[in-house]
Amino acid sequence: QVQLVQSGAEVKKPGSSVKVSCKASGVTFSGYGVTWVRQAPGQGLEWMGEIIPLFGTSRYAQNFQGRLTITADESATTGYMELSSLRSEDTAVYYCARTWYGESSSLDYWGQGTLVTVSS
Amino acid sequence: QSVLTQPPSASGTPGQRVTISCSGSSSNIGRNYIYWYQRLPQTAPKLLIYRNDQRPSGVPDRFSGSKSGTSASLAISGLRSEDEADYFCAVWDDSLSGSVVFGGGTKVTVL
Repeated sequence: QVQLVQSGAEVKKPGSSVKVSCKASGVTFSGYGVTWVRQAPGQGLEWMGEIIPLFGTSRYAQNFQGRLTITADESATTGYMELSSLRSEDTAVYYCARTWYGESSSLDYWGQGTLVTVSS
Repeated sequence: QSVLTQPPSASGTPGQRVTISCSGSSSNIGRNYIYWYQRLPQTAPKLLIYRNDQRPSGVPDRFSGSKSGTSASLAISGLRSEDEADYFCAVWDDSLSGSVVFGGGTKVTVL
């Protein structure tokens, strides 16, 4: 059974960082992309960026440049999303998803979501 | 607000056909493939349509997608109670440094 299992909910202080993991089960990221998307309360989905583990190349949405780092382990079974300089507006549910190489909108498997709350 | 525009809601009775629109621009739908997703309550989204009109294995042929110019549509024919869900569109946008953009989602209710 294919699953992307994300790490648990986090509560962070403004200015700190958060790192969320996404472990693949029954499927790998090899030859695919790992994408991160978030949804703030009452808002729509927002694409954050992606990594192609095979090449180790990442690209990020302009809104997150300088604050976001997306990585994957060498076995291409776990992806990571680290967001720094957190602010209250970063409170959201963060999702990982697998995408087909060259088709960034093709999110064929999704994680269950991780709630990140930024509060003082 | 979402870059792609979808109606917030749509409804139909069992067996009817429901169509959901997704409106964009020349930098996104006008030049790239559109993808559609279904999100059932308390579950992760599911890829429903890829490359405008293709169905992944296991998706019933009651679901169909189309694209024309800067707009796209998802049609559900023979509506069933289990189709009650949120549906959203996604596409690559070539503006600025590029990103995937999403529609705001359409809640389909089976009456």
